[in-house]
Amino acid sequence: QSVLTQPPSVSGAPGQRVTISCTGSSSNIGAGYDVHWYQQLPGTAPKLLIYGNNNRPSGVPDRFSGSKSGTSASLAITGLQAEDEADYYCQSYDSSLSAVVFGGGTKLTVL
Amino acid sequence: EVQLVESGGGLVQPGGSLRLSCAASGFTVSSNYMSWVRQAPGKGLEWVSVVYSGGTTYFADTVRGRFTISRDNSKNTVYLYMNSLRAEDTAVYFCARASWDYDSSGFFYVDWLDPWGQGTLVTVSS
Repeated sequence: QSVLTQPPSVSGAPGQRVTISCTGSSSNIGAGYDVHWYQQLPGTAPKLLIYGNNNRPSGVPDRFSGSKSGTSASLAITGLQAEDEADYYCQSYDSSLSAVVFGGGTKLTVL
Repeated sequence: EVQLVESGGGLVQPGGSLRLSCAASGFTVSSNYMSWVRQAPGKGLEWVSVVYSGGTTYFADTVRGRFTISRDNSKNTVYLYMNSLRAEDTAVYFCARASWDYDSSGFFYVDWLDPWGQGTLVTVSS
């Protein structure tokens, strides 16, 4: 049971827009800690996709965007491409646990 | 180029010990927060431990008391010492550089993780 809750899977056709939600609580996202997102392609290490709720590292396409409100956050991917098929994880910090916390991960399938 | 390379994984019996290494290049580990994250086969990411630049360490509840984290500044390497290993510790272990921030009470905490190493597989089995 992950501290942050994500849908197990989402899917979309090429060119479409999909969103992945990440729900936390008052001791993590709701406490004001930032949310970060990672993309993990099959058989590879996770890669930072979004940091500080809505910032993209250099090299990440602007098709990826993040937002945060209250105890939740979302990752949006527009103009879906086959290469976006991967697992996506949200991450924050939890003050009650004094620990970094992750969502359970969401598998994105491009139809 | 900023890079992390893990090593030391392998097959170990339940109750055994193992030391993982994370060699950094392109930056200095002693000036950064360094973290370990693991991923059990077919499962999600689980944070394991962090060592702050000042030496403070934190651990996940699942490994506290069994794992320790340290660094060798001369080798620019971070280590994860794993004792009393259990089957449920079987996972790919990744190291990552951690950014940090501080909250309203002045407590410093881990923010995002970047970059990550390629990971090293630890299998605990008899």
